[in-house]
Amino acid sequence: AQSVTQLGSHVSVSEGALVLLRCNYSSSVPPYLFWYVQYPNQGLQLLLKYTSAATLVKGINGFEAEFKKSETSFHLTKPSAHMSDAAEYFCAVSVFGNEKLTFGTGTRLTIIP
Amino acid sequence: GAVVSQHPSWVICKSGTSVKIECRSLDFQATTMFWYRQFPKQSLMLMATSNEGSKATYEQGVEKDKFLINHASLTLSTLTVTSAHPEDSSFYICSARVAGRWETQYFGPGTRLLVL
Repeated sequence: AQSVTQLGSHVSVSEGALVLLRCNYSSSVPPYLFWYVQYPNQGLQLLLKYTSAATLVKGINGFEAEFKKSETSFHLTKPSAHMSDAAEYFCAVSVFGNEKLTFGTGTRLTIIP
Repeated sequence: GAVVSQHPSWVICKSGTSVKIECRSLDFQATTMFWYRQFPKQSLMLMATSNEGSKATYEQGVEKDKFLINHASLTLSTLTVTSAHPEDSSFYICSARVAGRWETQYFGPGTRLLVL
């Protein structure tokens, strides 16, 4: 079985500062990893995904994440936070051919003006 | 593109009544739809997977007689919470997958259910 752990249920950063949201995974087979964002009263939107190609994955809205097998991590970063980035972020894992997603508990990102 | 809607967005009902939640893929055909449940400050938990024209596959611990899922067409799946009780109060989210793209799910905005 696979699982993900998101460190920090709440993260606050100043506008313009680096955003770093942490995700560690556990999987006995090579994982596929995802980051989703959820704005208030909206569905989850896929930010980016790692599917065993390049370890540095670029997504929408300037976000990127790096798959580090040695650290079992898939942290999400953005160089400069924008007010519109305030939302809930979910890390998720699956394995090849298995469409089921296992989600982390989410991290609420707050941007300080 | 790839929009999934849910209706209603909010529902309040009395204990013992049944509630139906609809999930629609608006601009694509979804061969597979998923139903999740999300408790406050917790993960999305997969409840069941439904494929068009066949019975849903429920995750362990989910009562299939309690949560009835119907996927009658390639654009519509419904979740019926039967004889709802206060402990069924939660946020229910659906997602839809396009055939041939197993790794991509499009999510609906969710339905918040409150059972009094």
